[in-house]
Amino acid sequence: AAGVIQSPRHLIKEKRETATLKCYPIPRHDTVYWYQQGPGQDPQFLISFYEKMQSDKGSIPDRFSAQQFSDYHSELNMSSLELGDSALYFCASSLGASPLHFGNGTRLTVT
Amino acid sequence: GIQVEQSPPDLILQEGANSTLRCNFSDSVNNLQWFHQNPWGQLINLFYIPSGTKQNGRLSATTVATERYSLLYISSSQTTDSGVYFCAVYYGQNFVFGPGTRLSVLP
Repeated sequence: AAGVIQSPRHLIKEKRETATLKCYPIPRHDTVYWYQQGPGQDPQFLISFYEKMQSDKGSIPDRFSAQQFSDYHSELNMSSLELGDSALYFCASSLGASPLHFGNGTRLTVT
Repeated sequence: GIQVEQSPPDLILQEGANSTLRCNFSDSVNNLQWFHQNPWGQLINLFYIPSGTKQNGRLSATTVATERYSLLYISSSQTTDSGVYFCAVYYGQNFVFGPGTRLSVLP
């Protein structure tokens, strides 16, 4: 069965640079979520989209933005990167409140 | 917002032992899931269990929604069960995670 696809798997950036993470949800899933997981932490909700419209917003810094495109893929854009942005970034998709399916994550390292 | 608690925070078992992990939540929820995060960071969906009991091999889960808790049972643990176990509840419009239980299964 098709799963949530995230790219890239690993990303190394320097401070003040910009990063773009991509997510391809499971076909026919109507909701996409982005989570950030710092070392030793639980995943923290950043933002979600329902049918390509932003539906909820969590603790997402103003330096971050996200959107969902007409083909349902989503991108998380991060600017002016800081050392503290180093984390695992997960994308997940679901059909409404049905089971949440996660991608394998993007490990971002900011040096 | 909702509070999600998990216990114990850490657990060390010998291979073959059984264990029970608990998830408490402070408000009514529409959905609850258990995930296993393996040492490579992957989040594996174990159970989607808003209420009732489910079993999958050596794992089973029970959610008592009226009392706002869920239990994950691991029987005959194996070293490959090591990792962090998260419960997540659907509240508002997103999923809120508990802090996790870190399980180490020793050979």
